[in-house]
Amino acid sequence: GAGVSQSPSNKVTEKGKDVELRCDPISGHTALYWYRQSLGQGLEFLIYFQGNSAPDKSGLPSDRFSAERTGGSVSTLTIQRTQQEDSAVYLCASSTRGGQGGELFFGEGSRLTVL
Amino acid sequence: QKEVEQDPGPLSVPEGAIVSLNCTYSNSAFQYFMWYRQYSRKGPELLMYTYSSGNKEDGRFTAQVDKSSKYISLFIRDSQPSDSATYLCATAYGGSQGNLIFGKGTKLSVKP
Repeated sequence: GAGVSQSPSNKVTEKGKDVELRCDPISGHTALYWYRQSLGQGLEFLIYFQGNSAPDKSGLPSDRFSAERTGGSVSTLTIQRTQQEDSAVYLCASSTRGGQGGELFFGEGSRLTVL
Repeated sequence: QKEVEQDPGPLSVPEGAIVSLNCTYSNSAFQYFMWYRQYSRKGPELLMYTYSSGNKEDGRFTAQVDKSSKYISLFIRDSQPSDSATYLCATAYGGSQGNLIFGKGTKLSVKP
């Protein structure tokens, strides 16, 4: 009965380094989402996958951010040349179906600190 | 103007109080309305889900949507210290569009 698993749970990096954040969704969930949660800013949508394709990448804040999903399962969010403003909790969620308000099941997040 | 507005609080109430949490939204195309609860250092979890206007009750929780005024509410009766968390409202367009649009969240503290 595993839920959404994210790793690492905490990551401290230096400005300019690249980071990879991993999300392992609930088995069988076809939809996968990445959100960013900064202090006082709520949840900011980044990208949505349906299977391996990303019909909505509109929330990625810059070309330093990219994400992929393979095998309809695991997803990786990559941030290149990290900046201090990238510091946030990155939350992954999965759902049995995209859209139509289907329930999102969230992981506990990856807390990124850029020094 | 953000698509979903929510007062971040914090809101502090005594145990047993009735809590009212509210959001407003700007886009009349939203069809689905949700409340998520987030405990400290955890991911959000779905609390209530409604489609279109009306009320939905689940135990001590009541969700209310008024599409004419674009207003979403969550009421908590007989609040308990275990209700202390951040409450996020969320909306969705429905159809094939995937993502939920969240408010900033209201941090609630229920004092024993």
